[in-house]
Amino acid sequence: GESVGLHLPTLSVQEGDNSIINCAYSNSASDYFIWYKQESGKGPQFIIDIRSNMDKRQGQRVTVLLNKTVKHLSLQIAATQPGDSAVYFCAEWGGDMRFGAGTRLTVKP
Amino acid sequence: AAGVIQSPRHLIKEKRETATLKCYPIPRHDTVYWYQQGPGQDPQFLISFYEKMQSDKGSIPDRFSAQQFSDYHSELNMSSLELGDSALYFCASSQTGGNEKLFFGSGTQLSVL
Repeated sequence: GESVGLHLPTLSVQEGDNSIINCAYSNSASDYFIWYKQESGKGPQFIIDIRSNMDKRQGQRVTVLLNKTVKHLSLQIAATQPGDSAVYFCAEWGGDMRFGAGTRLTVKP
Repeated sequence: AAGVIQSPRHLIKEKRETATLKCYPIPRHDTVYWYQQGPGQDPQFLISFYEKMQSDKGSIPDRFSAQQFSDYHSELNMSSLELGDSALYFCASSQTGGNEKLFFGSGTQLSVL
């Protein structure tokens, strides 16, 4: 399962599928963006970042896409695993780091 | 590798009491941020410090104050606690004043009864 374009508070996918988590940011002057993963009872953990002079960046199993025209950010997770289950937040830097609404990803075995 | 250290891990207080949360950033990180996260909510930025000076302020109530000390650790002081202050409080640190990735501590769970 995947979601495109629209931010969803929850997302449920089958193990092995690809996941897409979306985020809309608010400040057109923001020039740095980060995706964080937060597991229950823990602090946000850095996943991947992207600066505004790029529109795509790839990491290990994760890709971040940035569309500055519509102020949209997405996180793609390839071959989603049970350990990926967590809440995912995007954050934007526009003088300080502000978080968007999180998406709870649940991976079904 | 050293991470951001927060203490205490859990804190229980009663209404109108005061609380002090401590944060020890990663060595050589000069910027500290405080966030408040209510149940099921996204982290809300409270305040940040760069080189011991307040650098930015978010939705921090007037009852709260914070400072960064000469060793770069920071403390968040909360007075006249209210039930609504119950939340997870995270501290994060970064290098070079910001616009870099933040590293978060494990948080302090504050419960106000």
